[in-house]
Amino acid sequence: EPEVTQTPSHQVTQMGQEVILRCVPISNHLYFYWYRQILGQKVEFLVSFYNNEISEKSEIFDDQFSVERPDGSNFTLKIRSTKLEDSAMYFCASSVTSDRGTNEKLFFGSGTQLSVL
Amino acid sequence: AQKVTQAQTEISVVEKEDVTLDCVYETRDTTYYLFWYKQPPSGELVFLIRRNSFDEQNEISGRYSWNFQKSTSSFNFTITASQVVDSAVYFCALSEYKALNSGNTPLVFGKGTRLSVIA
Repeated sequence: EPEVTQTPSHQVTQMGQEVILRCVPISNHLYFYWYRQILGQKVEFLVSFYNNEISEKSEIFDDQFSVERPDGSNFTLKIRSTKLEDSAMYFCASSVTSDRGTNEKLFFGSGTQLSVL
Repeated sequence: AQKVTQAQTEISVVEKEDVTLDCVYETRDTTYYLFWYKQPPSGELVFLIRRNSFDEQNEISGRYSWNFQKSTSSFNFTITASQVVDSAVYFCALSEYKALNSGNTPLVFGKGTRLSVIA
């Protein structure tokens, strides 16, 4: 089965530094997402992206966050100035579009564990 | 606002026992979708099932079965004859319906239930 690929699997950074988390969604998918999971807590939605623009974002996704699809295959999440509370597992996901407007299942990557020191 | 409650934080069972994971949801929408995802120790999120609010038929897939009760806003998940490989955190999630070709609305996850199956 096709997979969503995320790199790196682990990222350690100093507070205040910029990080870029990378994702390669499934090739025929058109909708892309970032979710995060703080250790031991539930998975939370950050942002969804379609047709080269953000379609929806949560309150967590403030001005420190940005997403980009720089080419036909990659989808990135940038955190400009990391804070301690940004430490979490970040999941990328993708889904197909549907003519019926149904919510298709999301295919999640294995996540990037971000540790901010 | 949407909310998903998984009241069971952790469950331990002995192999071959049946186990039911509870999920109760809240939404004002009349059309919505319910999901279950599995998160094994390796960390990835694995899709198990999607159910739309119009389809209350229960589903069985091998040892897995799901009981959707709209009247009680519950979408419970049962594993029959549990195995050690079933040990994982299981998340129930909810998303509202969105207009044609607008993509998925955000998934609202519960806090998860950690299932430990002991040999």
